[in-house]
Amino acid sequence: AQKITQTQPGMFVQEKEAVTLDCTYDTSDPSYGLFWYKQPSSGEMIFLIYQGSYDQQNATEGRYSLNFQKARKSANLVISASQLGDSAMYFCAMREFQTGANNLFFGTGTRLTVIP
Amino acid sequence: DGGITQSPKYLFRKEGQNVTLSCEQNLNHDAMYWYRQDPGQGLRLIYYSQIVNDFQKGDIAEGYSVSREKKESFPLTVTSAQKNPTAFYLCASSLPREHYGYTFGSGTRLTVV
Repeated sequence: AQKITQTQPGMFVQEKEAVTLDCTYDTSDPSYGLFWYKQPSSGEMIFLIYQGSYDQQNATEGRYSLNFQKARKSANLVISASQLGDSAMYFCAMREFQTGANNLFFGTGTRLTVIP
Repeated sequence: DGGITQSPKYLFRKEGQNVTLSCEQNLNHDAMYWYRQDPGQGLRLIYYSQIVNDFQKGDIAEGYSVSREKKESFPLTVTSAQKNPTAFYLCASSLPREHYGYTFGSGTRLTVV
């Protein structure tokens, strides 16, 4: 079974609007972390935001926030006030802390295009 | 500044040749990883190493080899046994159980000609 599922291959958003990128995950490990990365066309992976499984509040980092719904196993990324520079691939990822594997599992990504 | 350096940025390989991709980090991270990314797809783990002189296979290790003789370095060799090596390769590093993900290099794009 896929550990990370991103069901939106592509998304479009108008500049200055908010957009939500979906991510669901699957794990039996009680201790895990969820990450979002941005990959511009240049290829590097840029860390955006982190949510721990025991965190009580949703994570926020500037214009990025993570809508964490633990019971539904979802960790959607919300980008507010979209900018043209937000156009990129976005990847959701998970790390399981108790299994000891120390690996980061990635989804297949969502390509976001911001329209002027 | 601390970071991860991958070289070269672009690499061309003839069929039947082995090539080695370089990955160096000065972050004092214990763990290092190699991922492969195909167009329009996510990252798949090739190999990872949690300490010097030790490494484990990831999900797609066939046709690849690695070494970890120094903490700072984790080179990846793409051997002739890898049937479809054309891809984008990303190296990453992390501290054990760090709750803030991995730090990535800028990648190497390998093309078989």
